[in-house]
Amino acid sequence: DAGVIQSPRHEVTEMGQEVTLRCKPISGHDYLFWYRQTMMRGLELLIYFNNNVPIDDSGMPEDRFSAKMPNASFSTLKIQPSEPRDSAVYFCASSPKLRGNYGYTFGSGTRLTVV
Amino acid sequence: AQKITQTQPGMFVQEKEAVTLDCTYDTSDPSYGLFWYKQPSSGEMIFLIYQGSYDQQNATEGRYSLNFQKARKSANLVISASQLGDSAMYFCAMRPHGSGNTGKLIFGQGTTLQVKP
Repeated sequence: DAGVIQSPRHEVTEMGQEVTLRCKPISGHDYLFWYRQTMMRGLELLIYFNNNVPIDDSGMPEDRFSAKMPNASFSTLKIQPSEPRDSAVYFCASSPKLRGNYGYTFGSGTRLTVV
Repeated sequence: AQKITQTQPGMFVQEKEAVTLDCTYDTSDPSYGLFWYKQPSSGEMIFLIYQGSYDQQNATEGRYSLNFQKARKSANLVISASQLGDSAMYFCAMRPHGSGNTGKLIFGQGTTLQVKP
């Protein structure tokens, strides 16, 4: 299995531009999560999906952020318009279940820099 | 409130020695899972070990063991026979199973471990 695949690995964009982060979860994993990691706030859960349906988006910072999961093998996190404070590492993770000995499998992350 | 606390921002350990990374948690849910992740300088998050709140025995995975003390709400990670490759940031995390919390893996602030040759 190739694991959770995220693209791009690095993204540098100008303030005000639209940014789209992509994620391919592990096949058969019903749960997909988007996390953001910053020095100040650590790892924060932004949103998670179950069987392509958003379950909890209470961590999404504001309306500039949106996430979709059009099918079981693909999800996007979009920021429009981007701001310098959005600079962070964004992780996608997937899991087959929410209970038991199922650690989330994380992707390699996307390091976003907004200048 | 659901919270994970890691009080050691940084730790040093001599190669081949054992080291304990501290983690305390707070939850009102009777059922929950506890996790440790490793984040090397390359940035990926690597799942190390899991402990369920109803598990009677402490979890072990190779050189990793979890010292689970439920009454004290602590879940310390013990790494035996440290190796240079263990140098990384280590995160403790909790997943409460109560209503409204299912799915949210809550992370501590992390502990940076440096293994000295």
